[in-house]
Amino acid sequence: NAGVMQNPRHLVRRRGQEARLRCSPMKGHSHVYWYRQLPEEGLKFMVYLQKENIIDESGMPKERFSAEFPKEGPSILRIQQVVRGDSAAYFCASSPLQGANSGNTIYFGEGSWLTVV
Amino acid sequence: DAKTTQPTSMDCAEGRAANLPCNHSTISGNEYVYWYRQIHSQGPQYIIHGLKNNETNEMASLIITEDRKSSTLILPHATLRDTAVYYCIVNDSSYKLIFGSGTRLLVRP
Repeated sequence: NAGVMQNPRHLVRRRGQEARLRCSPMKGHSHVYWYRQLPEEGLKFMVYLQKENIIDESGMPKERFSAEFPKEGPSILRIQQVVRGDSAAYFCASSPLQGANSGNTIYFGEGSWLTVV
Repeated sequence: DAKTTQPTSMDCAEGRAANLPCNHSTISGNEYVYWYRQIHSQGPQYIIHGLKNNETNEMASLIITEDRKSSTLILPHATLRDTAVYYCIVNDSSYKLIFGSGTRLLVRP
């Protein structure tokens, strides 16, 4: 049973380019979470999505960042016009039902490392 | 903000039990305690979670005090590969996990 799959694992972008990070949740999971970890810092919640719905984007920067989880296909975290401060590890997680408040387990992927040069 | 307090760092000898404490004095009755760990440059790995009763799985044991204000994660026979940052998380009644600073566990040969 495959875990949460993220790709690419490593991505290098020049300032001003776009970065697209993909996340395929575990089989049977319809809830996806994105987290960001800046160098030498902790994990910060960004956004929570269900299929075709953004439930909570309270942790998303107001500009340049967007996320989607279409009916078919992986969840996408999109960063437009990247800047050096966007360099970080981006982790996706999934759960079968709505997350931690019901004792459900949330599983994380191995992350996508974005470097902006 | 995280609702837990953990030591910044700990160490233990390889082969011995590692006991990682966590204080969560403001926990509510329906909030779960989750433990994750993050090995350098990897994604957070789920370890165990519990509500009231002690829990055990193939990785660890979770001991929750009767008043639920603190808990201890026990790795019964620590190995070098258990060196990681360990996060104790109380889910604050929401669906998302809020990570604090965690405990850096160093397992010594």
